[in-house]
Amino acid sequence: GAVVSQHPSRVICKSGTSVKIECRSLDFQATTMFWYRQFPKQSLMLMATSNEGSKATYEQGVEKDKFLINHASLTLSTLTVTSAHPEDSSFYICSARGNMATGELFFGEGSRLTVL
Amino acid sequence: GENVEQHPSTLSVQEGDSAVIKCTYSDSASNYFPWYKQELGKGPQLIIDIRSNVGEKKDQRIAVTLNKTAKHFSLHITETQPEDSAVYFCAASSFSWGKFQFGAGTQVVVTP
Repeated sequence: GAVVSQHPSRVICKSGTSVKIECRSLDFQATTMFWYRQFPKQSLMLMATSNEGSKATYEQGVEKDKFLINHASLTLSTLTVTSAHPEDSSFYICSARGNMATGELFFGEGSRLTVL
Repeated sequence: GENVEQHPSTLSVQEGDSAVIKCTYSDSASNYFPWYKQELGKGPQLIIDIRSNVGEKKDQRIAVTLNKTAKHFSLHITETQPEDSAVYFCAASSFSWGKFQFGAGTQVVVTP
């Protein structure tokens, strides 16, 4: 299947700092990428839909000024957690649609964020 | 919007036995149903999918069935092995609205 690379896999930061997570589609162009948040032993919670060249669409309850999403190219989307606090600690996962016609969704390996 | 329910939440099986996970969906417009396997600390991996024009699909020890009328689909794993232990998620999507709605997940434990 298609490959989605996510970096970093783990990041530890101090409260009040900002953290950027990158999501790249390595062997295909992704006009749409999705960002999820996952709490321990829970399902995937969609945070936002990232569209290349346009503003991201955020799900209800997700602060767009807190979680900045940029999709500057067909192979790269970034999620920046601004002014991070301990409650932002979580597992963040990106995904990309491999083919709009067939619809497969491929996930990155996830990023574990720990805010001290 | 779409709502996907997944059962059971946990499933313990002996190595060599079969495992079955069931999901139901609510939106009749959904036409694509993938299954993902997630190992601890990793992102979900697509293992098999099925589209609404197909009733069953098989890939080695894994099979998925779809009943459009009843709006439910199932994952079947035969001859389970310890490496099948993971969390499995079902999902439903429509090509028209693009989002994926995920089930709550099933923790599968295969004991030797």
